[in-house]
Amino acid sequence: GAGVSQTPSNKVTEKGKYVELRCDPISGHTALYWYRQSLGQGPEFLIYFQGTGAADDSGLPNDRFFAVRPEGSVSTLKIQRTERGDSAVYLCASSFRGGASSSYNEQFFGPGTRLTVL
Amino acid sequence: ELKVEQNPLFLSMQEGKNYTIYCNYSTTSDRLYWYRQDPGKSLESLFVLLSNGAVKQEGRLMASLDTKARLSTLHITAAVHDLSATYFCAVGLPLYTGANSKLTFGKGITLSVRP
Repeated sequence: GAGVSQTPSNKVTEKGKYVELRCDPISGHTALYWYRQSLGQGPEFLIYFQGTGAADDSGLPNDRFFAVRPEGSVSTLKIQRTERGDSAVYLCASSFRGGASSSYNEQFFGPGTRLTVL
Repeated sequence: ELKVEQNPLFLSMQEGKNYTIYCNYSTTSDRLYWYRQDPGKSLESLFVLLSNGAVKQEGRLMASLDTKARLSTLHITAAVHDLSATYFCAVGLPLYTGANSKLTFGKGITLSVRP
């Protein structure tokens, strides 16, 4: 079946601009995660949705970052007033469930969006 | 705070030889994952380890988990070029404590197989 998809695959923007990154999780997966991966590093957690609500947004670096998942499926990560330090690959993952039972928590990752802020 | 360390960070392997790489973490966990990442690509799930003493094998790779030592090892048997990639381990806080399912990743180990 279809995996996690993300659009766009690449986004180049200028400092100060607003960007939106989209994630389409695996059908039926209720949990959705955003991570950010800088060059040479492992992914770092940003935000976790269980259904429509953000269950944990402790990884968002500041209030320029915001994410929504209004219908419990597709999610959009929004970055305002982009800075050069925001340049990274933004990864989305989904899992069948979040919490409760470990066996349902395997996260499947999308291809990522490479964001470059000039 | 949960911290995940992987070592070595880079390993040059000779084809046909055996190697072991390590992942250790700082606090109790009930789940550990190994992922593979090829350059410019996303993460591919390799192993899910959910209990102490868990051992899983896929082809030339075997992963094990020791929750008491807070250590997972990934053993490579008879390395081949196709195994060249970066390998990440990721750990979560125990779900039975009420923690959610987010993961903390190590920095990754880059494996390069030479003839």
